[in-house]
Amino acid sequence: GAVVSQHPSRVICKSGTSVKIECRSLDFQATTMFWYRQFPKQSLMLMATSNEGSKATYEQGVEKDKFLINHASLTLSTLTVTSAHPEDSSFYICSARAVGGPEAFFGQGTRLTVV
Amino acid sequence: QQQVKQSPQSLIVQKGGIPIINCAYENTAFDYFPWYQQFPGKGPALLIAIRPDVSEKKEGRFTISFNKSAKQFSLHIMDSQPGDSATYFCAAPLHNTNAGKSTFGDGTTLTVKP
Repeated sequence: GAVVSQHPSRVICKSGTSVKIECRSLDFQATTMFWYRQFPKQSLMLMATSNEGSKATYEQGVEKDKFLINHASLTLSTLTVTSAHPEDSSFYICSARAVGGPEAFFGQGTRLTVV
Repeated sequence: QQQVKQSPQSLIVQKGGIPIINCAYENTAFDYFPWYQQFPGKGPALLIAIRPDVSEKKEGRFTISFNKSAKQFSLHIMDSQPGDSATYFCAAPLHNTNAGKSTFGDGTTLTVKP
């Protein structure tokens, strides 16, 4: 099956610093990647949709200046949490859709803790 | 407005039982219905998916039943095992749009007791 690698799996950062999370499709090209946030015992909340070579589309209520998304190639998207605060602590998950298909494959997630 | 409603919220069965998780959707534009399995601390993994041109799909112990007229689809796990204990999400992606983003159900926490 298709593999999506997300890195890092866990990160602890100090309040006010920025953190970058990478999402790579290892064995397929992904025209579209999605970034989700998940709180404990809750469903996935879509933050933004990124298409290769264009600006990301953010969901209502998601601050685009705080959550910077870059989709530089068909296999890599990055999410940068800028000026992180403790309330940004969460589980962030990316997913990628292969060209021409409906299937979305998820990364293993990144547990961000801001102290 | 939630476009995919999942039930039950939690489910406990004995080993060998057949848990059934249901999802109801509203948007008839949805044409692909996946189920995801998520273990604690991990990302969701695609388990099985169905398109609305068939009423049932089986893959190993997992079966999706689809009722287009009722706009419902369900996941059945045959001969459930303790290792199946996880959270299950149904989803409906609008892949025929440029966005192609998915809407997810709230999830069902399944516990299979030995």
